[in-house]
Amino acid sequence: DAGVIQSPRHEVTEMGQEVTLRCKPISGHDYLFWYRQTMMRGLELLIYFNNNVPIDDSGMPEDRFSAKMPNASFSTLKIQPSEPRDSAVYFCASRGTHNVLTFGAGSRLTVL
Amino acid sequence: GIQVEQSPPDLILQEGANSTLRCNFSDSVNNLQWFHQNPWGQLINLFYIPSGTKQNGRLSATTVATERYSLLYISSSQTTDSGVYFCAVSRGFGNEKLTFGTGTRLTIIP
Repeated sequence: DAGVIQSPRHEVTEMGQEVTLRCKPISGHDYLFWYRQTMMRGLELLIYFNNNVPIDDSGMPEDRFSAKMPNASFSTLKIQPSEPRDSAVYFCASRGTHNVLTFGAGSRLTVL
Repeated sequence: GIQVEQSPPDLILQEGANSTLRCNFSDSVNNLQWFHQNPWGQLINLFYIPSGTKQNGRLSATTVATERYSLLYISSSQTTDSGVYFCAVSRGFGNEKLTFGTGTRLTIIP
């Protein structure tokens, strides 16, 4: 198994641009989580899905953020328009019935 | 929401030393996991341990759920153990949100 796959690994963009981060969870995992990590706030849960359905999006900071999971093997996190304060490392993680959370390598976003 | 406190925040040790990291949480949980974030940023799951004791090589963990704490033990530290160790908890039973502590930064000096 290749683990949780995220892309891009690094993204540098200008304020106001749309950013799309992608995630492929581990096959067979029915939970998918999006986390954000910053120095100031640590690791924060943004949203999680169960069987492709969004369950809790209370961590999504504002309407500029949206996430989708059109099928069991793909999810996106979109920021539109992006702002400098969105700069962070965004992690996708997935989990099966065994409860162990497996993280992807992360997408480092820099908004200038 | 549930509060997770980790101690110490920073730990610097000589290679070969042993260490104990602590995680306190404010409410009953049925999911507790320990993670290691290496210097390259990768988060690796070490243990799923909502209660009891587990061991994996030089690492072991104990969770005393009734007293709301967990301990991670690292024996015979190696430089590759350096990084940040996170504890994360959730109440489960329909609430799958893992809340992370602020971490313990471990530096192993050769």
